[in-house]
Amino acid sequence: EDKVVQSPLSLVVHEGDTVTLNCSYEVTNFRSLLWYKQEKKAPTFLFMLTSSGIEKKSGRLSSILDKKELFSILNITATQTGDSAIYLCAVEGLRTGMRFGAGTRLTVKP
Amino acid sequence: DTEVTQTPKHLVMGMTNKKSLKCEQHMGHRAMYWYKQKAKKPPELMFVYSYEKLSINESVPSRFSPECPNSSLLNLHLHALQPEDSALYLCASTLYPRPVSSYNEQFFGPGTRLTVL
Repeated sequence: EDKVVQSPLSLVVHEGDTVTLNCSYEVTNFRSLLWYKQEKKAPTFLFMLTSSGIEKKSGRLSSILDKKELFSILNITATQTGDSAIYLCAVEGLRTGMRFGAGTRLTVKP
Repeated sequence: DTEVTQTPKHLVMGMTNKKSLKCEQHMGHRAMYWYKQKAKKPPELMFVYSYEKLSINESVPSRFSPECPNSSLLNLHLHALQPEDSALYLCASTLYPRPVSSYNEQFFGPGTRLTVL
């Protein structure tokens, strides 16, 4: 059965800290891995990764995929209070829809 | 117009009621999705429609009945629900059926918060 596991489940840091969020997966016929940020309502798309070793960057956020070891990390540098949210990892297989991990709840304190 | 709208925002219903959730997008997207999200849990995929045809049903109980009357509209008909069906129901859409990607971003609606008494 397809599985997406995120760690840690919860993280509290102070502004300016750098954080690394982890996502490991098992999925039949892997197609893509996606990262989302969810604040109060619907998730918003951050990154889509399909190839190993290619870093995706957007401002202070970056992400990379390792298809051999079946995991991805999401890095946030110089965190701000506005980064406080739940970060969701989702994996899409060839024949399945998206499977979400449980998410990492990030709290950034001033 | 780059948004997915959902109505109603909140819905309270009894176990014998019949109600419907509505989702609309005018971005010309050809795939639409229903997700269920319980409190403090990630979204769980329920249904996927591709080109107005049901392409994925994740073994959802028959008390949930999806309908796609046209390419812009997606409904979820509810009948004889249970209290454990209380959740946030999210609709999403993508331009192409799959896969979701940087060029095929999935847009989520704000959700309908459903409470079943």
